[in-house]
Amino acid sequence: DGGITQSPKYLFRKEGQNVTLSCEQNLNHDAMYWYRQDPGQGLRLIYYSQIVNDFQKGDIAEGYSVSREKKESFPLTVTSAQKNPTAFYLCATSTLSTSYNEQFFGPGTRLTVL
Amino acid sequence: GQQVMQIPQYQHVQEGEDFTTYCNSSTTLSNIQWYKQRPGGHPVFLIQLVKSGEVKKQKRLTFQFGEAKKNSSLHITATQTTDVGTYFCAGPGGNNRLAFGKGNQVVVIP
Repeated sequence: DGGITQSPKYLFRKEGQNVTLSCEQNLNHDAMYWYRQDPGQGLRLIYYSQIVNDFQKGDIAEGYSVSREKKESFPLTVTSAQKNPTAFYLCATSTLSTSYNEQFFGPGTRLTVL
Repeated sequence: GQQVMQIPQYQHVQEGEDFTTYCNSSTTLSNIQWYKQRPGGHPVFLIQLVKSGEVKKQKRLTFQFGEAKKNSSLHITATQTTDVGTYFCAGPGGNNRLAFGKGNQVVVIP
């Protein structure tokens, strides 16, 4: 989506290294989400945040960490504790203005750990 | 949180034919959303259904929400090569989260 930036598109790291994936948005959305996508597994929620300086664990938070110091930014760190980090990582945002809010996705970062 | 199941997981569709993909929940959903992800791309919101028995159309796509609000379907007529991709449904996951199904990957055969 034009208002959400994830960089880089492809990322390679050696096993045992931490790596931080960036997600920036200019949509002025309150909520931001990180998903992991593996073939045949759909979208699994890692972490999400509804307000600056606050975030909650999703379904597969182990081995990941996040921060939300600014409304526009929600970086995800994949730590060496994540056993199988190679995956496609998607950042999404949504408003919280109504009960039914669609999510807008960034282009994703494909992480490969060698 | 709620879980939604999608069937089938994979479909091969001949160009020009129709197909349907289904989304089921064991509990009543307040709403259901549908997304499409093109190969190599990211999910894009298609539509949201809220009312029991609701039917919405977008050109060749027809979305339906069941009377009991436990299931939903997406029916595509006269399939085109541009329909290739993975279709996801998502229900409310609590606390402003979405619970996504595993998706239906559609391959279009020219």
